[in-house]
Amino acid sequence: TQLLEQSPQFLSIQEGENLTVYCNSSSVFSSLQWYRQEPGEGPVLLVTVVTGGEVKKLKRLTFQFGDARKDSSLHITAAQPGDTGLYLCAGARTDSWGKLQFGAGTQVVVTP
Amino acid sequence: GAGVSQSPSNKVTEKGKDVELRCDPISGHTALYWYRQSLGQGLEFLIYFQGNSAPDKSGLPSDRFSAERTGGSVSTLTIQRTQQEDSAVYLCASSLVSGYTFGSGTRLTVV
Repeated sequence: TQLLEQSPQFLSIQEGENLTVYCNSSSVFSSLQWYRQEPGEGPVLLVTVVTGGEVKKLKRLTFQFGDARKDSSLHITAAQPGDTGLYLCAGARTDSWGKLQFGAGTQVVVTP
Repeated sequence: GAGVSQSPSNKVTEKGKDVELRCDPISGHTALYWYRQSLGQGLEFLIYFQGNSAPDKSGLPSDRFSAERTGGSVSTLTIQRTQQEDSAVYLCASSLVSGYTFGSGTRLTVV
């Protein structure tokens, strides 16, 4: 059973479209991180959010942490083929500092 | 080094054999983690080393799995008497404060 549920599992869109990936849990997290993973490589950290309600923007990517610190979303505006990858959310719980619980991931494919 | 280095990148082994997977973390990173990733399953926590503290072994799936970290740096994950269900990508990560830096992983195939 995944502590963090990601949806959708798979997303295929055309270049220029927008997309949103969701990460939900019944548990409270002290912080939540988003990673992107490409085939044959390890995940690469995109962002860390720590405050309930926090919104962070990285160019075309917008990350939001829910007010109750149980959920998060990743929104990509005007997706490009280079955004293709497996997006993983990961949460740190206050009772297990440093150890992250990962969601199963959302596979995003952006076609030209 | 500049990043987290894992070796070998690929390992094919026969069922019942022992394997050792190596992780060389970023110099100065005090925390080191092992995860494994199976298709469609996300990342499964295995073990966590933090400085000189006793490791958190709560994620090791059976007593066939063990890991050590020598001198606060290089770590070795050992799987004894491998089984087919051990086939996965084994990922190592290190961190200093927050946010992991992952290696590229070792793809283990047990035949």
